[in-house]
Amino acid sequence: EVLLVESGGNLVPPGGSLRLSCAASGFQFSLYSMNWVRQAPGKGLEWISYISSGSTSIYYADSVEGRFTISRDSGNNSLFLQMTNLRVEDTAVYFCVRGTAAHLDYWGQGALVTVSS
Amino acid sequence: EDVLTQSPATLSLSPGDRATLSCRANQGLANYLAWYQQKRGQAPRLLIYEASHRAAGVPARFSGSGSGRDFTLTISSLEPEDFAVYYCQERITWREFTFGQGTRLEIK
Repeated sequence: EVLLVESGGNLVPPGGSLRLSCAASGFQFSLYSMNWVRQAPGKGLEWISYISSGSTSIYYADSVEGRFTISRDSGNNSLFLQMTNLRVEDTAVYFCVRGTAAHLDYWGQGALVTVSS
Repeated sequence: EDVLTQSPATLSLSPGDRATLSCRANQGLANYLAWYQQKRGQAPRLLIYEASHRAAGVPARFSGSGSGRDFTLTISSLEPEDFAVYYCQERITWREFTFGQGTRLEIK
């Protein structure tokens, strides 16, 4: 069974930093691209970052480019999202998501990040 | 300008009804469109990929169709557990995944 478990969500002040982790199991993590997708309270889904299986291709949404960094440790089946210079509008549930070439097939349950003073 | 526009925003139907949800792109797509279901308080779940292929474990009452700019998710006979929010998604460019704004399917 594919399982993705996020951790690291917390309350952080504007301008602060936070690191999210995602523990993957049930599949060969090193063979799959991974993504982070977020959902602000009461809003829709927003894709924010992609990393290829070998970390050779990395992409970001314009809304987080330059502030967020995606990375992975395939030896430990883990995905990360380092978030810096956080803004109130970054408040959301952050989902770790396995990807294929064109769609997102397995989702974690999400980690809540609240940016507030 | 929205790249993927879903309609209607809210659809009010009764169990047993047929539901038709639309997703329109502002440019022709390569038929890689996907549909997701999200129930309250849960993560999204992949229903349909490549416009018409059901994901593993998805009931046969869910079907996807369409090509080019216009795509449809059909639920042939609504079950109580189908009332949720549905999103379409496409990888418009290789640099990003794009979602529609969602259709809320509610009980009438």
